[in-house]
Amino acid sequence: DQQVKQNSPSLSVQEGRISILNCDYTNSMFDYFLWYKKYPAEGPTFLISISSIKDKNEDGRFTVFLNKSAKHLSLHIVPSQPGDSAVYFCAARHEPGGTSYGKLTFGQGTILTVHP
Amino acid sequence: DSGVTQTPKHLITATGQRVTLRCSPRSGDLSVYWYQQSLDQGLQFLIQYYNGEERAKGNILERFSAQQFPDLHSELNLSSLELGDSALYFCASSVSGTGPGYTFGSGTRLTVV
Repeated sequence: DQQVKQNSPSLSVQEGRISILNCDYTNSMFDYFLWYKKYPAEGPTFLISISSIKDKNEDGRFTVFLNKSAKHLSLHIVPSQPGDSAVYFCAARHEPGGTSYGKLTFGQGTILTVHP
Repeated sequence: DSGVTQTPKHLITATGQRVTLRCSPRSGDLSVYWYQQSLDQGLQFLIQYYNGEERAKGNILERFSAQQFPDLHSELNLSSLELGDSALYFCASSVSGTGPGYTFGSGTRLTVV
């Protein structure tokens, strides 16, 4: 049961342009959505999050948009830089309480390549 | 350095063997999470401990077990290893156990031959 899906395995963009990474979810019991970035041979690094009660959160070049009716979120990176090349994971936090107490469910990841 | 320490970084072992992966959380973090990343897969949640007690369980095999010790470090024990257990195993920690985000270690790459 894939509750969090990233349908694009890879994305290639030119330096300076916008990168848009997408994520869909099926469970309405998520209270936070997060994006993590992962370089080879390193653990995932937290990038940005958004509460389920908001529709946008911005942090520098990174903006996350949440469309609850469509159960869809996206990460926008503007402008994209070669150093942004990494695997990006979308994650959703289960509401605290019950057997899924606060755990994160991750998507499969999208490999972003930013060309100079 | 994220502050979450995992040892060893690499492990090669034979089928049928048992291994122990170790995780030291960030200073002050009470909650430890274990995740498995197999080839071409996302991160699969295995188990969570909070201040020494099991808090949540994911799709963890019966051959796998974990514990969190009084000093808050955690160990993941994998036994009767199979080829399919080859994966990256990540540990993460957070302060309260309710996030929203965790800090991950750099992982242990387990290869079963």
